[in-house]
Amino acid sequence: AQTVTQSQPEMSVQEAETVTLSCTYDTSESDYYLFWYKQPPSRQMILVIRQEAYKQQNATENRFSVNFQKAAKSFSLKISDSQLGDAAMYFCAYRSGVNAGGTSYGKLTFGQGTILTVHP
Amino acid sequence: ETGVTQTPRHLVMGMTNKKSLKCEQHLGHNAMYWYKQSAKKPLELMFVYNFKEQTENNSVPSRFSPECPNSSHLFLHLHTLQPEDSALYLCASSQGPGLREKLFFGSGTQLSVL
Repeated sequence: AQTVTQSQPEMSVQEAETVTLSCTYDTSESDYYLFWYKQPPSRQMILVIRQEAYKQQNATENRFSVNFQKAAKSFSLKISDSQLGDAAMYFCAYRSGVNAGGTSYGKLTFGQGTILTVHP
Repeated sequence: ETGVTQTPRHLVMGMTNKKSLKCEQHLGHNAMYWYKQSAKKPLELMFVYNFKEQTENNSVPSRFSPECPNSSHLFLHLHTLQPEDSALYLCASSQGPGLREKLFFGSGTQLSVL
């Protein structure tokens, strides 16, 4: 079974600064997908960024980028130019890329989450 | 707004009550999911429905009974719950089979069992 670990229960950053959230995972699969989700106080989980394991290039979405180290099974999220609206709980998640009889879609394994506080 | 609506937003129930959670998606998706988010624990997948058929039951106790009458609606019927079932219940949907599909989540129902 896959596991996802976020070792930072809480992080804080000053507005306009950069912060990195850590995530490690354990899997024996070679084909998988990694995600970062954001959950603001509204409770709605919002996809921030996605990385396919077969891609060597790190994914980027505007101010959000990842550092994907496949051999180390590490998947950190970097938020540049932090904004007050970035304050939320951030979850790292794993999904198998292998269909096993049915499909693996939607079967996400989540980490425990990191609460990010942004100070003005 | 992600196009996935959950009601009620909050629910308090006693252990002998029967209640239902409702989820509706307006995205034309074919797959719908229930996730449970407990305090200090990672989100856990409970059920998966694809084209109204249940394709995954992640060892969920029978006091949770899902229903998917069509691809746009998903219910979670609750009966004789325990206090440890108190949690945020999140519904999600996706287009369906495909390795690049993206999950869209609702805002959840915060359930308290007294």
